[in-house]
Amino acid sequence: QVQLVESGGGVVQPGRSLRLSCTASGFSFSDYAMHWVRQAPGKGLEWVAVISHDGSITYQGGSVKGRLTVSRDNSKNTLYLDLNSLRTEDTAAYYCAKDLEWKHLDYWGQGTLVTVSS
Amino acid sequence: QSALTQPASVSGSPGQSITIACTGTRSDIGTYYLVSWYQQHPGKGPKLILYEVTKRPSGVSSRFSGSNSGNTASLTISELQAEDEADYYCCSYAGSSWVFGGGTKLTVL
Repeated sequence: QVQLVESGGGVVQPGRSLRLSCTASGFSFSDYAMHWVRQAPGKGLEWVAVISHDGSITYQGGSVKGRLTVSRDNSKNTLYLDLNSLRTEDTAAYYCAKDLEWKHLDYWGQGTLVTVSS
Repeated sequence: QSALTQPASVSGSPGQSITIACTGTRSDIGTYYLVSWYQQHPGKGPKLILYEVTKRPSGVSSRFSGSNSGNTASLTISELQAEDEADYYCCSYAGSSWVFGGGTKLTVL
């Protein structure tokens, strides 16, 4: 079955950087686009970014545009999210999700928590 | 891209039906009609329960159904069960981006 496992979260100071990873199994990772979605504590879901199956196309949401890089290593079945110049408002659980036909997000991980605090 | 609009909370008794509306704009729901719905229990990742407005993934109960009219999509849960108590989010494709609703907390009384 499809499994997505995020890692790399933790406590980080404002202005610093962090790399999140998402390891996929149970499907042909290189055939599917992948998303990142975040959720601030007690708040709703916010779409962050998408990357095409081969990494050639990426799009980002408005609130994080320019401060993050999404990438993937299909040989390792792993998706990455590099967060830069972190702000307190970036504190959230970050989820990776598998894409369905560039229309929907069909499988999600359990999330990794990033806390930005001095 | 502004978030889609959902009611903050709804409630119903076991066996009853409830409907959650999700209102967007002509830039998202009204153009693409690619709305999905997600169920999230506390401390868990979201689960897809409907996509392309009305389609159910394998294994999702037929008690979950969807509809769409103009810029508004709706999720209906019939024959409410205690396990349906969760947060529900709508999501729409918006042309190279995706936008979520603010979420609706369903309480089963």
